[in-house]
Amino acid sequence: SQKIEQNSEALNIQEGKTATLTCNYTNYSPAYLQWYRQDPGRGPVFLLLIRENEKEKRKERLKVTFDTTLKQSLFHITASQPADSATYLCAPRGNTGKLIFGQGTTLQVKP
Amino acid sequence: ETGVTQTPRHLVMGMTNKKSLKCEQHLGHNAMYWYKQSAKKPLELMFVYNFKEQTENNSVPSRFSPECPNSSHLFLHLHTLQPEDSALYLCASSQDGDRRFTDTQYFGPGTRLTVL
Repeated sequence: SQKIEQNSEALNIQEGKTATLTCNYTNYSPAYLQWYRQDPGRGPVFLLLIRENEKEKRKERLKVTFDTTLKQSLFHITASQPADSATYLCAPRGNTGKLIFGQGTTLQVKP
Repeated sequence: ETGVTQTPRHLVMGMTNKKSLKCEQHLGHNAMYWYKQSAKKPLELMFVYNFKEQTENNSVPSRFSPECPNSSHLFLHLHTLQPEDSALYLCASSQDGDRRFTDTQYFGPGTRLTVL
């Protein structure tokens, strides 16, 4: 079955550093992958989409990579700020055409 | 603020109650979704509607009953729920449920449901 894995342990980093979050998927090859941000008690908010033929995508301080050989996507936040603290969800497109969400990784940026 | 609203934001109900969750999207989308989010678990897709037609039901118990009267409104009717149904229920919309589109989803703020 299609499986998405994100690091369940919270990631704690110092303000100004680069945060790197990992998303691994198994048993299928998604045509694209999306990343969302979720704050406590709120719905997820779309951040970036990367397609299988794209190696890297950038948006302001965010960068996403997509390695179809490793079946992995990395999500980077450069010059991190306390306001970046949230849970980040990886969502590859499943075989049915619908997104499959990972459980998310919580990022805590300390001042 | 997103273009998807949900009411109520919080709901406490007994196992014998009947209640409904409401979702409305103002984005002109044609696909709408219900998700369940429990603590420490991934989002679970429950139902999908595309152009008012239900296209997916992911083995959801019959005590959850969706209704989509038009492309802008989605309801989730609840009856005889169990304590394990307590969770955050999220509604989302996307441009179209067709595979041609990238299915980027816009979520509402969710309804925090507690079943006593």
